[in-house]
Amino acid sequence: EPEVTQTPSHQVTQMGQEVILRCVPISNHLYFYWYRQILGQKVEFLVSFYNNEISEKSEIFDDQFSVERPDGSNFTLKIRSTKLEDSAMYFCASSEGGPGYNEQFFGPGTRLTVL
Amino acid sequence: LAKTTQPISMDSYEGQEVNITCSHNNIATNDYITWYQQFPSQGPRFIIQGYKTKVTNEVASLFIPADRKSSTLSLPRVSLSDTAVYYCLVGDGTSGTYKYIFGTGTRLKVLA
Repeated sequence: EPEVTQTPSHQVTQMGQEVILRCVPISNHLYFYWYRQILGQKVEFLVSFYNNEISEKSEIFDDQFSVERPDGSNFTLKIRSTKLEDSAMYFCASSEGGPGYNEQFFGPGTRLTVL
Repeated sequence: LAKTTQPISMDSYEGQEVNITCSHNNIATNDYITWYQQFPSQGPRFIIQGYKTKVTNEVASLFIPADRKSSTLSLPRVSLSDTAVYYCLVGDGTSGTYKYIFGTGTRLKVLA
């Protein structure tokens, strides 16, 4: 069964450093997403991406964040200058359809720890 | 911004039916309601999706009233392995753009 994969599974970084989280969505999916989940809290939407551009973004997704699909398979989330409060699980997801069609397939997540 | 709320936690015994309700007052007109299951340190996993009335699949049923401002996930005959956090997910189009809003999550504990 096809699945979304994410690397690394755990990333530790110093405050102020840049991190890039990587995802490989399911191959025939067209919509891609990043979510985050702070420990013990609910899953929060960050951004959706379609046709090589951002479709929607939340208030969390400020100028420190960017997304990119550098090739035909990878989808990345970059945090330019990490803050302590960026420590969270980051989930990538993909879906065949877009807004309204919410059967999104989630990856296993990357745990980001900012020291 | 829409607030999507669920009960914080529920306990049940094996073999019982569990119903978890989510309220989503500002659901976007064309949006589906989707429920996910999440185990610790894993990504959410799709359970069921519906637009209105009732949907049933091999693991759950989803009940959606006519006004679509709430939905109820029904898990028949739960087992210990159903212990997890359950989230509803809706789209919110009230601000003129479309955002995905997860519910607050319901921690289900199934007891032997």
